[in-house]
Amino acid sequence: EPEVTQTPSHQVTQMGQEVILRCVPISNHLYFYWYRQILGQKVEFLVSFYNNEISEKSEIFDDQFSVERPDGSNFTLKIRSTKLEDSAMYFCASSEAVAGGREQYFGPGTRLTVT
Amino acid sequence: GQNIDQPTEMTATEGAIVQINCTYQTSGFNGLFWYQQHAGEAPTFLSYNVLDGLEEKGRFSSFLSRSKGYSYLLLKELQMKDSASYLCAYRSYNTDKLIFGTGTRLQVFP
Repeated sequence: EPEVTQTPSHQVTQMGQEVILRCVPISNHLYFYWYRQILGQKVEFLVSFYNNEISEKSEIFDDQFSVERPDGSNFTLKIRSTKLEDSAMYFCASSEAVAGGREQYFGPGTRLTVT
Repeated sequence: GQNIDQPTEMTATEGAIVQINCTYQTSGFNGLFWYQQHAGEAPTFLSYNVLDGLEEKGRFSSFLSRSKGYSYLLLKELQMKDSASYLCAYRSYNTDKLIFGTGTRLQVFP
């Protein structure tokens, strides 16, 4: 069964450093998302991406964040200058379509630890 | 505004039935989702409701009442492996993001 994959599974970085989290969505999916989950808290939407552009972003997704689909398979989230409060689990998700209630399939996540 | 509520924790016995409730308030609505999340893992899709009524999928069923802003997830014949967090999420009309509740942590005891 096709699945969303993410690398790395765990990333440790120092405050102020740049990190890039990588995702490979399911191959025939068109819509891509990033969510994050701070330990013990709820899953929060960051950004959605369709047709090579951001379709929606949350208040969390400020100028320090960016997303890119550099080729036909990868979808990346970059944090330019990490802060302690960026420590969280970051989930990539993808879906075939929005209309018709297509579910979003989540990847296994990248645990980001900022020290 | 956007608001979604579900109980923080529930416990149940193996073989029993448990119902996890979720209420939401939103100015637009385009579907209610339930996900299961084991500790340290990704959410996995369980069910989706967009119309009122009950959707059944094996041991799991989900119900929606749009007029009441209410949904529940029903788990039958509970197994130990059902111990997990259950996340209620809705999708707003005209947007594709999911708004999640805090999740209900279910512990199943033998």
